[in-house]
Amino acid sequence: GDSVTQMEGPVTLSEEAFLTINCTYTATGYPSLFWYVQYPGEGLQLLLKATKADDKGSNKGFEATYRKETTSFHLEKGSVQVSDSAVYFCALSAQGGSEKLVFGKGTKLTVNP
Amino acid sequence: EAGVAQSPRYKIIEKRQSVAFWCNPISGHATLYWYQQILGQGPKLLIQFQNNGVVDDSQLPKDRFSAERLKGVDSTLKIQPAKLEDSAVYLCASSLDGRMNSPLHFGNGTRLTVT
Repeated sequence: GDSVTQMEGPVTLSEEAFLTINCTYTATGYPSLFWYVQYPGEGLQLLLKATKADDKGSNKGFEATYRKETTSFHLEKGSVQVSDSAVYFCALSAQGGSEKLVFGKGTKLTVNP
Repeated sequence: EAGVAQSPRYKIIEKRQSVAFWCNPISGHATLYWYQQILGQGPKLLIQFQNNGVVDDSQLPKDRFSAERLKGVDSTLKIQPAKLEDSAVYLCASSLDGRMNSPLHFGNGTRLTVT
């Protein structure tokens, strides 16, 4: 079945450091790919998405590129802030147009001042 | 717009007891989802409704879990009887129509502890 694998956390960085959270997927067909973020005490929020190969999703300084050849969707940010501390989930939606999501296990990011 | 509302926020019960969770989706959203998020794992889909009909309940443990969405608006998820392994956060989400460009909006979840 479809699955998502994320790098193990937790990840701890200093403010203004570069962030990469790796995500790879297994799916039949051509899934859509997503990054969701969960801030402390809040619900999951869509951070960015890409619906086809080579698409780049971006939002709030975060970026991720849909790489079909490596089945990856790594999340990057050039300079993290304390306010980026959260749990980040990579997810996919199988071909067919449904937003039914398969999630990775999540990566907790802590950014220290 | 108001977000997805869930209640209660927390619930503690003993094993073999029953429990129910409530979800009120965003107004006008036809598609409603219940996810289970066990500590240290990503959310797992339990059931998907389109209006008041079930689209997918393949991962719902039907011997103990049930869900309904009467009138195609609010939804309740019930567990009876609860087991220790049911301890998790139960997330409700809704979307306009369940299609590719219709983003999911999640509620804050109900944290269930089974002792």
